[in-house]
Amino acid sequence: DAGVIQSPRHEVTEMGQEVTLRCKPISGHDYLFWYRQTMMRGLELLIYFNNNVPIDDSGMPEDRFSAKMPNASFSTLKIQPSEPRDSAVYFCASSSMGGRNGYTFGSGTRLTVV
Amino acid sequence: AQKVTQAQTEISVVEKEDVTLDCVYETRDTTYYLFWYKQPPSGELVFLIRRNSFDEQNEISGRYSWNFQKSTSSFNFTITASQVVDSAVYFCALVRSGTYKYIFGTGTRLKVLA
Repeated sequence: DAGVIQSPRHEVTEMGQEVTLRCKPISGHDYLFWYRQTMMRGLELLIYFNNNVPIDDSGMPEDRFSAKMPNASFSTLKIQPSEPRDSAVYFCASSSMGGRNGYTFGSGTRLTVV
Repeated sequence: AQKVTQAQTEISVVEKEDVTLDCVYETRDTTYYLFWYKQPPSGELVFLIRRNSFDEQNEISGRYSWNFQKSTSSFNFTITASQVVDSAVYFCALVRSGTYKYIFGTGTRLKVLA
């Protein structure tokens, strides 16, 4: 299995532009999580899905952020418009059993908004 | 309130030394799960271990061992005979039963010097 695949690995964009981050979870995993990591706030859960349905999006910072999971093998996290304070590493993780057996994280997308 | 504290921000050791990373957690729940993850310089988070609150047995996996003590709300991680490849940031995390939100500590950066 190739693991959780995220793209792009790095993204540099100008403030105000739309950014889309992509994630392919491990086949058979029914939970998908989006996390954000910053020096100031550490690892924060943004949203998670179960069987493609968003379950808890209380961590999404504001309406500029949206996430979708159109099928079991693909999810996107979109930021529009992007702002410099959105600069962070965004991780996607997938699991079975809701993560109680541990997540498998992707390699992350390092987003820089200038 | 749920909280995970990793008081050691950074530890430096010389190769072959033993090192213990501390993790103290707070929860009022009786059922919960504790985790350790490793984040090497390449950036991805790697699952190391899970413990549920009813299992206080210590665990050893090669050079890694974990000491779970409910009496002190601690879940410490020891690396024996450290190696340069152990250099990474290590995160402790707590998950309440019935939820899938990890509460991560702030991480401990371990530097193993040759």
